[in-house]
Amino acid sequence: DSGVTQTPKHLITATGQRVTLRCSPRSGDLSVYWYQQSLDQGLQFLIQYYNGEERAKGNILERFSAQQFPDLHSELNLSSLELGDSALYFCASSSDGGYTFGSGTRLTVV
Amino acid sequence: AQSVTQPDIHITVSEGASLELRCNYSYGATPYLFWYVQSPGQGLQLLLKYFSGDTLVQGIKGFEAEFKRSQSSFNLRKPSVHWSDAAEYFCAVGRGSARQLTFGSGTQLTVLP
Repeated sequence: DSGVTQTPKHLITATGQRVTLRCSPRSGDLSVYWYQQSLDQGLQFLIQYYNGEERAKGNILERFSAQQFPDLHSELNLSSLELGDSALYFCASSSDGGYTFGSGTRLTVV
Repeated sequence: AQSVTQPDIHITVSEGASLELRCNYSYGATPYLFWYVQSPGQGLQLLLKYFSGDTLVQGIKGFEAEFKRSQSSFNLRKPSVHWSDAAEYFCAVGRGSARQLTFGSGTQLTVLP
């Protein structure tokens, strides 16, 4: 157990739908990062939050959004889903520059 | 723009043999460098990291990596591979003040008995 908790582990949904992925960082970590892993794009940085504030954006689509709540857990919202959004979505948390990843949420869009 | 190159998509070694996985990076400043391992269906586990100091870094599971600034490389090594080392290995560089990671495309390691 890495200390970073992601739920759900698996998600199957239809095109056009909206889903929410949840991440609880390691205790004490203020930064949360979201990454997408797909066969064609590899591992890509999506977005980072630090203590509730958006800190950096990567290759995140406009259909995707995220937030970090006062208790530091984060949610990644994916809407108007397309087949190409099928991927493994990882959350990571960081405190001292070291990153700890969760086990991921596998999203399948059908 | 920064980038990370792992030139070997797939490497096969025999159990007990030595291993070296290559990683080259392109980054304008002093990089923060990482190696992660991913087993099938699993998340990413940190093997080792380099921020500064001694260029030879020791990690978990008997892995080590050497930072060579002149070659822009951060190769991962292990003197004797175990069957349980079969997995995909990712090199990554941390960039910017937020230090989000840029990953290489990964190297799939197969270990023969």
